[in-house]
Amino acid sequence: GEKVEQHESTLSVREGDSAVINCTYTDTASSYFPWYKQEAGKSLHFVIDIRSNVDRKQSQRLTVLLDKKAKRFSLHITATQPEDSAIYFCAASGEGKLIFGQGTKLSIKP
Amino acid sequence: AQTIHQWPVAEIKAVGSPLSLGCTIKGKSSPNLYWYWQATGGTLQQLFYSITVGQVESVVQLNLSASRPKDDQFILSTEKLLLSHSGFYLCAWSLLGVNYAEQFFGPGTRLTVL
Repeated sequence: GEKVEQHESTLSVREGDSAVINCTYTDTASSYFPWYKQEAGKSLHFVIDIRSNVDRKQSQRLTVLLDKKAKRFSLHITATQPEDSAIYFCAASGEGKLIFGQGTKLSIKP
Repeated sequence: AQTIHQWPVAEIKAVGSPLSLGCTIKGKSSPNLYWYWQATGGTLQQLFYSITVGQVESVVQLNLSASRPKDDQFILSTEKLLLSHSGFYLCAWSLLGVNYAEQFFGPGTRLTVL
């Protein structure tokens, strides 16, 4: 079946630095790529998304890049803050459903 | 404003016992509805989705069933729980299908099967 691989299982950055989380997908028909944030013990919260008709989308400190040729997309967080600490999930649409990556635990060090 | 409510918040159940989890969405008519399962420390797996009352599509077989008895209600159930059913169950809604729009997740139900 189709897969989404999230390359970093954990990521630790210093407060104020940038963080990058990378994902790859297998379904060439995937056209929608959302990112979600999950704080400890809580539900998922939508962060940002990108559709396949663009290769870049920015929202404040967040930027998503999409490389359709390489079937790769990434989340860039600039000027990280303590409240950015969480597990981040990437996802790709495929086979009529959203397929999620394994999650990246992002820790922001003071 | 749209609100999504899940019940119960948590359940501890015995293997072989029945289960019913509920989800209600207020403030949005005819949403697409989804059930997800998340193993502890794991990723999310979509279980079911529904685009209209009375119609539910199964995405993965986990000895669970789902129903949509009302436009704003989605039920997940089984007659016989397995240990492997333990985890975090999340209901979500969206305005459009998976290829087009973000999904909004409920607070979840944490299930422990003993």
